[in-house]
Amino acid sequence: NAGVTQTPKFRVLKTGQSMTLLCAQDMNHEYMYWYRQDPGMGLRLIHYSVGEGTTAKGEVPDGYNVSRLKKQNFLLGLESAAPSQTSVYFCASSYKGGNSYNEQFFGPGTRLTVL
Amino acid sequence: DAKTTQPPSMDCAEGRAANLPCNHSTISGNEYVYWYRQIHSQGPQYIIHGLKNNETNEMASLIITEDRKSSTLILPHATLRDTAVYYCIVSRGSSGTYKYIFGTGTRLKVLA
Repeated sequence: NAGVTQTPKFRVLKTGQSMTLLCAQDMNHEYMYWYRQDPGMGLRLIHYSVGEGTTAKGEVPDGYNVSRLKKQNFLLGLESAAPSQTSVYFCASSYKGGNSYNEQFFGPGTRLTVL
Repeated sequence: DAKTTQPPSMDCAEGRAANLPCNHSTISGNEYVYWYRQIHSQGPQYIIHGLKNNETNEMASLIITEDRKSSTLILPHATLRDTAVYYCIVSRGSSGTYKYIFGTGTRLKVLA
């Protein structure tokens, strides 16, 4: 199993450009998440999804949109990139475990620079 | 979700036990305590979790106080490869969104 994969690994954008980050998981997980991590900080939740066709806002959703058209994929879009969105973006997925614990599996990250 | 408080950094000699504390005084009854670590800029890696009882796996031990307001992650024999940022997170275990709130973690440096 590949686990959680992210595409691309690195990207440089100019202010105002748009792009889409792709997250894919092969573990048949229901839940998927997008986080961003700024230097010296912990991860902050941008958006998440509890199933195919559903999305919800996290802590820092402004400037981002997401879509979950297929269970295995979770897309993060930046419509008009700003320098403040320079960050490392991590995707994660987890099993819908009912009353049990809920371990999240993280991808390797996408390093985005907005000039 | 409850917030957690961790010391910003700790050092540990190689081969010795590393004890990483976490305060989660506002934890509620259905929230689990999770520990993750992040090596360099890789994605966080799950270590261990617990609800009420102490837990042990091949990587670490987790000691949760009886009132559940704090916990300690123990790496029994730290190696240089354990140098990382360690995050303590509390999150709901019942049906819900399982959202994590990351703090800034503890930067553990294992010294040769």
